[in-house]
Amino acid sequence: EPEVTQTPSHQVTQMGQEVILRCVPISNHLYFYWYRQILGQKVEFLVSFYNNEISEKSEIFDDQFSVERPDGSNFTLKIRSTKLEDSAMYFCASSEAGRQIGWAKNIQYFGAGTRLSVL
Amino acid sequence: SQQGEEDPQALSIQEGENATMNCSYKTSINNLQWYRQNSGRGLVHLILIRSNEREKHSGRLRVTLDTSKKSSSLLITASRAADTASYFCATILLSNTGKLIFGQGTTLQVKP
Repeated sequence: EPEVTQTPSHQVTQMGQEVILRCVPISNHLYFYWYRQILGQKVEFLVSFYNNEISEKSEIFDDQFSVERPDGSNFTLKIRSTKLEDSAMYFCASSEAGRQIGWAKNIQYFGAGTRLSVL
Repeated sequence: SQQGEEDPQALSIQEGENATMNCSYKTSINNLQWYRQNSGRGLVHLILIRSNEREKHSGRLRVTLDTSKKSSSLLITASRAADTASYFCATILLSNTGKLIFGQGTTLQVKP
């Protein structure tokens, strides 16, 4: 069964360093997302991406964050200068359905996540 | 108040019993989805119910949606130890955006 894959599973970095989290969405999906979950808290939306541009972003997704689809398969989240409070589990998701056929059918499939630890 | 609040926050039952989790939301939705998360792992999609649907079944799962009360429930029948996980409801709003808004989740423990 097709699945969303994320690498690495765990990333440890020093405060102020740049990190890139990688995701390979399901191949025929057109919509891509990043979410994060701080330990013990709810899953929070960061950004959605369609047709090579950001569709929507949350308040969390400030100038330190960026997303890119560098080729036909990868979808990356970059944090330019990490802060302690960026420590969280980051989830990538993808969906086949979207605005064209209505969000009512939008099922998002999630990867296993990357645990980011900022020291 | 937040979109997507589950209760109870924690539930502990014996194997074979049924588990019911509830979710309430504030803003009109396109659909409501339930996800499962095993400890420290990713989110697994369980079931989606659209705003014009009232009930859906999938195996041992039964989901109801009451849009007048802005609430949903997830029933797991004949629970198993392997059902031990956190369960989250997530909504897609009627405002035509694809972002999922998650609740805090219910932690279910099924004792063998």
